[in-house]
Parts: sequence; C-alpha cells; structure tokens
Amino acid sequence: SQQGEEDPQALSIQEGENATMNCSYKTSINNLQWYRQNSGRGLVHLILIRSNEREKHSGRLRVTLDTSKKSSSLLITASRAADTASYFCATDASGGGSEKLVFGKGTKLTVNP
Amino acid sequence: GAGVSQSPSNKVTEKGKDVELRCDPISGHTALYWYRQSLGQGLEFLIYFQGNSAPDKSGLPSDRFSAERTGGSVSTLTIQRTQQEDSAVYLCASSLSVGNQPQHFGDGTRLSIL
Repeated sequence: SQQGEEDPQALSIQEGENATMNCSYKTSINNLQWYRQNSGRGLVHLILIRSNEREKHSGRLRVTLDTSKKSSSLLITASRAADTASYFCATDASGGGSEKLVFGKGTKLTVNP
Repeated sequence: GAGVSQSPSNKVTEKGKDVELRCDPISGHTALYWYRQSLGQGLEFLIYFQGNSAPDKSGLPSDRFSAERTGGSVSTLTIQRTQQEDSAVYLCASSLSVGNQPQHFGDGTRLSIL
C-alpha cells in the first residue's frame, strides 16, 4: 500500500495565492521529502525534513511535519505560474533495513496567471 | 552532463520483445534507484543499488524484470518478453549515498508496448 498519500489530488489557484498540499503516511519514518515534477520531466527535490524537525523553510516553501499525526504539509506562498506542476511527498521507513523511498500519488497544482 | 541521464527517452516496441533501458547517474553518486510511473500515478519503487550490489529488489514486478550496475556507475534495466502492462515511464535517480539523501532524477524513458 502507499506509504504517502497527498491531498488534494488537484488544486487550482490564482497567481499570488498560497497553495497548501498535505501528505499522510502510515509507518514511522526517518525523514520525509517533497518533490516537484513538471509534465514530461523527472522529479526535482524540494526539501527534506527529518523526523525530529517540526518545520522547515526554503525560499517560498514551508514544510511542516507532525509525527504524532503522521502528516506533513507543503505551503507555497505567493504562487507563480511556473509553480504549476505535480508535487509528491516521499517517505523512507525507519528501521526497515531498506533505503527505498515510497512516494504518494501526488497533488497536481495549477497556478493560473 | 551534470545530471542523471537516461536513454532512450522514448521506446516503442512490440509485445514479447525485450527492452533495455539505460541510466547514467551523477558522477560520484554511489546509490542508484529505478522507479516506474504509470500515467497520472505516483512512483513505484523497483530496485536500488549501493555501488554494484542491489540490497533491495523487492519492487521488481516479475522475473521478467532485471537490473544490473557495473563499475559503480551506469545501470541497465532489462524487461524480457514485454507485456502491454509494462507501458509506463521508467525513472532513474541517484544520490550521494543511501539514507537521508535527496535523490536526483533523470527525465525518464517513456516505454510503450504495442
């Protein structure tokens, strides 16, 4: 089963608005990562947050992690048309003996100019 | 180049044929990962390499799928006797090492089985 599940599945906003995407997961993790994928391209790493961190910022991105609720959120502030992409969360599994990441199905974000 | 390179970028083949997909990771990256992405879906883990060894092959869908990595660099993913359900984008990623590391992705190989 999917470790990470993003919601909403799709989000459409106007340029300048903020976009919030959520991710829930099932098992204990070492870290959680967010990636962006433009149509027809590979994934681009955005931010990594460790299990002992609660919030992290990078430019217009803000990520929160609540390990008690097994959830994370990605906030993009002052969105731009260029932010249009699919966004995925990915988790590892602590103590699992494997280094694989498990990705959710993603949130498709459309920022209208 | 500086990024992960995958070839071919597109591959169309007939059902039953074998295909070989290539991934050239970022120089110096010891970890290499293969994923499969079906249309509109997330990524499905297939296999990862640490150096030339593959500690986790649990994601390979069937024994028609195999992968190898030689010289700690280039990796090939081979699909034998392709089926229509193998149609997907196959993505490769590399990272400096395993664990707590961002992965750097190539643009994938779009595989279509007729």
